[in-house]
Amino acid sequence: EAGVAQSPRYKIIEKRQSVAFWCNPISGHATLYWYQQILGQGPKLLIQFQNNGVVDDSQLPKDRFSAERLKGVDSTLKIQPAKLEDSAVYLCASSPTGKETQYFGPGTRLLVL
Amino acid sequence: TQLLEQSPQFLSIQEGENLTVYCNSSSVFSSLQWYRQEPGEGPVLLVTVVTGGEVKKLKRLTFQFGDARKDSSLHITAAQPGDTGLYLCAGGGGSSNTGKLIFGQGTTLQVKP
Repeated sequence: EAGVAQSPRYKIIEKRQSVAFWCNPISGHATLYWYQQILGQGPKLLIQFQNNGVVDDSQLPKDRFSAERLKGVDSTLKIQPAKLEDSAVYLCASSPTGKETQYFGPGTRLLVL
Repeated sequence: TQLLEQSPQFLSIQEGENLTVYCNSSSVFSSLQWYRQEPGEGPVLLVTVVTGGEVKKLKRLTFQFGDARKDSSLHITAAQPGDTGLYLCAGGGGSSNTGKLIFGQGTTLQVKP
């Protein structure tokens, strides 16, 4: 069974630029999560989707971050404009219905200069 | 706000030594998960504990959930270089029970040969 796929794996941008990350969850998983992991910290949930609906986006900085999961399968996370403090690893995870184990992708490492 | 505090944050030991990592909170969780994350990868689930006082063993790793379901520990016996990585605890089952996980800040373990 294929795992959670993420791209790109690495991205370097300058502050005030825009960036987008893509995630393809495990086939059949209804729940998709985006986490931000700053160096030296644990992952912090940004947004949780159940199919194509948002379950929790309470910690998503909505003035600059947006995410969508239009067809209930893959998802994109966008930052516009990026700030220096957005430098982090962005992890995508999925689970069958949201009550079980979350399976994580390898993450996208973002460096904002 | 639910928080999980892990200690120690960093641990460097010699191969063959034993170690314990602690995960503490003032909040009650319905489940507690432990993950290991290697450089350049996403977290991988090691174990889930759901019952207060529960003890689970995974080869040389022993996980315990506190009686009050507010704390947990991970004990590694005779550590090996392959155990090196970032260990994360995550609490689940908050009031909304959406499957949201609250992660600790992680414990970086280095096992030297």
